[in-house]
Amino acid sequence: AQTVTQSQPEMSVQEAETVTLSCTYDTSESDYYLFWYKQPPSRQMILVIRQEAYKQQNATENRFSVNFQKAAKSFSLKISDSQLGDAAMYFCAYRTSFGSNYKLTFGKGTLLTVNP
Amino acid sequence: EAQVTQNPRYLITVTGKKLTVTCSQNMNHEYMSWYRQDPGLGLRQIYYSMNVEVTDKGDVPEGYKVSRKEKRNFPLILESPSPNQTSLYFCASSLGRGLASGGETQYFGPGTRLLVL
Repeated sequence: AQTVTQSQPEMSVQEAETVTLSCTYDTSESDYYLFWYKQPPSRQMILVIRQEAYKQQNATENRFSVNFQKAAKSFSLKISDSQLGDAAMYFCAYRTSFGSNYKLTFGKGTLLTVNP
Repeated sequence: EAQVTQNPRYLITVTGKKLTVTCSQNMNHEYMSWYRQDPGLGLRQIYYSMNVEVTDKGDVPEGYKVSRKEKRNFPLILESPSPNQTSLYFCASSLGRGLASGGETQYFGPGTRLLVL
């Protein structure tokens, strides 16, 4: 079974600075998808960014980018020019490409605080 | 607006009183799933559905039932709720096939906070 590990329970960053959240995963599969979701105090789960494992190019979405290292099974999220609205719990998630259950396997999350 | 809706958003109930949490999506998604989120345990899958009349158990299905009679709806049923089912519940959906770029992305409803006394 796949596992996802987020080794940083909490992180903090100054407004306008850059922060990187870590995620590692364990899988024997070669094709899969990785996601970062954001959960603000409203508890809504919001997709931040996604990455297909077969793509070598790292995904970017405005101020959010990932560093996908397939061989190392690492998928870190970089937030540039941090804003107060970025404060939230961030979850890394894995989804298989195989079978009929497209279950997301989540890490335990990293709570990001943004200081003004 | 493309969205996943859940009702109710908040619910307080007593042990043994049957309840249903509804989930509906307007994106014509084939795949739908229920998760529960608990402190220290993260999000865990309860049930999922690949299409109408096709459902199967996830990781923590005990005490729950689901049905998929229509493509857009995927209700979660607690026949006899117990205090250990107090949790935050999320419904999610995706195209399922993943053939189109982004089709594998799961979109979440706003969550239902359930307290069983």
